[in-house]
Amino acid sequence: EAQVTQNPRYLITVTGKKLTVTCSQNMNHEYMSWYRQDPGLGLRQIYYSMNVEVTDKGDVPEGYKVSRKEKRNFPLILESPSPNQTSLYFCASSLSVGKLYEQYFGPGTRLTVT
Amino acid sequence: GNSVTQMEGPVTLSEEAFLTINCTYTATGYPSLFWYVQYPGEGLQLLLKATKADDKGSNKGFEATYRKETTSFHLEKGSVQVSDSAVYFCALSHSGGSNYKLTFGKGTLLTVNP
Repeated sequence: EAQVTQNPRYLITVTGKKLTVTCSQNMNHEYMSWYRQDPGLGLRQIYYSMNVEVTDKGDVPEGYKVSRKEKRNFPLILESPSPNQTSLYFCASSLSVGKLYEQYFGPGTRLTVT
Repeated sequence: GNSVTQMEGPVTLSEEAFLTINCTYTATGYPSLFWYVQYPGEGLQLLLKATKADDKGSNKGFEATYRKETTSFHLEKGSVQVSDSAVYFCALSHSGGSNYKLTFGKGTLLTVNP
């Protein structure tokens, strides 16, 4: 089954404790992206990757890091989480930049930073 | 920059009522336009799309027409069902230069009562 998986689905952590949210897709997609969803703000892009070893900032990259060492994986790293990073996070992928609209979304990771 | 404005929710309708969710956009050039749907507890799914002016996207009884003259892409359905209860996002994609991403509206929560 074609899918995007994220782990963990739920996470409660404390300020300053480094964490990684994993994202994996099994569709051989080139393009992957991370979004955060906040009430009243919709979805905002954090980082995206057009292919292995090619990443770039989205609209709200501050406080986040990403890496793309393999095509299927695109982890989101919070080196020192803060309460303003409490949010619902979605990973998404698409075949290529040319097929950007056909994005497949993961189920989401709800992060709470206390 | 690019932006999407959609009507604020929540929208509450009775089953079999007519649905309209307004969406307008600001973008340079010729973006592609989309509606995504997010069912409770799930990630976003592409509902329909239109890639050029006057195109009509349709799926599952939903329709939207790309109106360049009014920069709009309103979502409509003639007879909603309880199972249509979800959050609906209007989005545009515009690739070029160094910016490849979807820009989302803030979402409209639809609740359909039996």
